[in-house]
Amino acid sequence: GAVVSQHPSWVICKSGTSVKIECRSLDFQATTMFWYRQFPKQSLMLMATSNEGSKATYEQGVEKDKFLINHASLTLSTLTVTSAHPEDSSFYICSADSLYVSGNTIYFGEGSWLTVV
Amino acid sequence: DAKTTQPTSMDCAEGRAANLPCNHSTISGNEYVYWYRQIHSQGPQYIIHGLKNNETNEMASLIITEDRKSSTLILPHATLRDTAVYYCIVRVKAAGNKLTFGGGTRVLVKP
Repeated sequence: GAVVSQHPSWVICKSGTSVKIECRSLDFQATTMFWYRQFPKQSLMLMATSNEGSKATYEQGVEKDKFLINHASLTLSTLTVTSAHPEDSSFYICSADSLYVSGNTIYFGEGSWLTVV
Repeated sequence: DAKTTQPTSMDCAEGRAANLPCNHSTISGNEYVYWYRQIHSQGPQYIIHGLKNNETNEMASLIITEDRKSSTLILPHATLRDTAVYYCIVRVKAAGNKLTFGGGTRVLVKP
């Protein structure tokens, strides 16, 4: 299947700082990328959908000014958590879809653990 | 997207077949049934998907009832590495359509 890679796998940052997580599609052009967050022992919650070259569409209750999503190219999307606080500590996962890949199956990255101290 | 209902958890014996049920009684005609699994602290892994015919790949088999209101994922010979949370999701198969995750089934494969 298609490969989606996230970086970093884990990050620790101080409260009040910003942290960026990258999501790359390694062997296909991702026309759409999705960002999820997952708290311990809970399911994945969709945060936003981003189409290449367009503004992201955020799910209800997700602050767009706090979780900045950029999808400037067909192989890279970034999620920036601004002014991070301990309650933002979570597992962040991206996934990618493509108009150019038959089957329209969505593939996921490995996830990024964020700890805010 | 239609909602799905799965048992919260189930155990199965190593080497035996694991049958994971999923109800999706409000599925629409153009929605596919997708299965993903998530091993602890990893991103979800795609397993299989289908519309109305039974499907099989190297990982699993998917059996969809004739009325499409339910399906069963079959892991033919469960191994300890199959311990994971399994998610059944219905989705219109089109680029840009999201996957909405429910609670999934926590499967524990025991030796």
